[in-house]
Order: sequence, then C-alpha cells, then structure tokens
Amino acid sequence: AQSVTQLDSQVPVFEEAPVELRCNYSSSVSVYLFWYVQYPNQGLQLLLKYLSGSTLVESINGFEAEFNKSQTSFHLRKPSVHISDTAEYFCAVSRGGGFKTIFGAGTRLFVKA
Amino acid sequence: GAGVSQSPSNKVTEKGKDVELRCDPISGHTALYWYRQSLGQGLEFLIYFQGNSAPDKSGLPSDRFSAERTGGSVSTLTIQRTQQEDSAVYLCASSTRQGVSTEAFFGQGTRLTVV
Repeated sequence: AQSVTQLDSQVPVFEEAPVELRCNYSSSVSVYLFWYVQYPNQGLQLLLKYLSGSTLVESINGFEAEFNKSQTSFHLRKPSVHISDTAEYFCAVSRGGGFKTIFGAGTRLFVKA
Repeated sequence: GAGVSQSPSNKVTEKGKDVELRCDPISGHTALYWYRQSLGQGLEFLIYFQGNSAPDKSGLPSDRFSAERTGGSVSTLTIQRTQQEDSAVYLCASSTRQGVSTEAFFGQGTRLTVV
C-alpha cells in the first residue's frame, strides 16, 4: 500500500527566507507525485507534478520539487518566500489512471513580515 | 461542467438531523473522491469511486456516513444523525482515468456546521 508522510505540520518562516516542505512516500511500484496548495478560504489546486523525465519540476510561482527515488522523497522548496505564499501545502502520490491518489496530512506554511 | 461543483457551499444543521452534500464532477471524469477537512486538520479521506468498480469506503468514520454516485457522475454524501464533531469542510475531487496525469480537481467544498 502507498502512503505519504509530511513531516512538518506547520512551518513558520520570515519573508524572503528560503523554505523546504518535506514529503516522503512509500510505494512498491512506480508512482507519480504531486504538490497541491490551498490558499486561505480557497479550494485545493495543483501546484506542480512529477510524472517522468527530469526529476526537478517547477511551478509558475517559483516553487520547485525534486523527485528522489532512492530517498523516496519529493520535497518542495522555494529560495525566497512571499507573504502571499502563506497557505497549506499537500503532497500526494498516485500509481496512475485507475488508482486512488493518496494525500499527505498537509503542511501549513506561514510567512511572516 | 468547467470545474467540480459542490452544493450547498454552506450548511448549518441541528444536531441529530440528516444532511446531504452534493458533488458534480468534471464531465468525463471517472474517479471521484470525498475528503473532510476539519479546522486546523489536514485532509481526511472518506470515500473513492472509480468507474463501475466497488467504491473504496475505507475512510468513512462511522456507519452514519454513506455516499453514492449515480450514473457514474453526480455523487451525494449523506451524514445521518449529525453530531457536532461532523462540523468540517467536505471536499469533493474528480480525476480522469485516461493517461497518467491523474491530477485531482477539487471543488470549493461544503462547510458543514452542526449546532
């Protein structure tokens, strides 16, 4: 069975500081990996995804995540955060079409001025 | 439709009453999920529908919770004899079985308050 672990429930950080939100997964088969973001009082939306190819994937707002198969990780990073990045971030794993996507418990990123 | 639609957006009910929450997935999406998000908590998986397969009900917290999906499209989540601990935002998501992307598209949720 697959599982996703987000090691930090909350991450407070000052504006313009770097941040890393950790995600580890377990699976006996190849998987696809996702990060979703939920801004305050909004629904969840896809931030970025890894399907195949380059292990480093990027979002349009400066986040990036690197698929590390040996460490079964898909950590999310941003070199300099903004107040507007304050949100809850969810890591997710899927085996592909027809199989259930598994979500982590989420990490609440709080960016302080 | 253009996106996943949930109704109502807000529901206040008295303890002990039954409630029904509706989800209209994106047209053509075979997979449909229900999640619960309590205040300050992460996503709690409730139930998963995939095409005509038997649903994965492993996340339903008690037998007061049930869900159905009619005609492979619209889904209704029913909570019987609501309790205050049922207060949460109930999220619905859908995805396609085609290809490998399997990105889940979420609705805006139904905020349920049991008083």
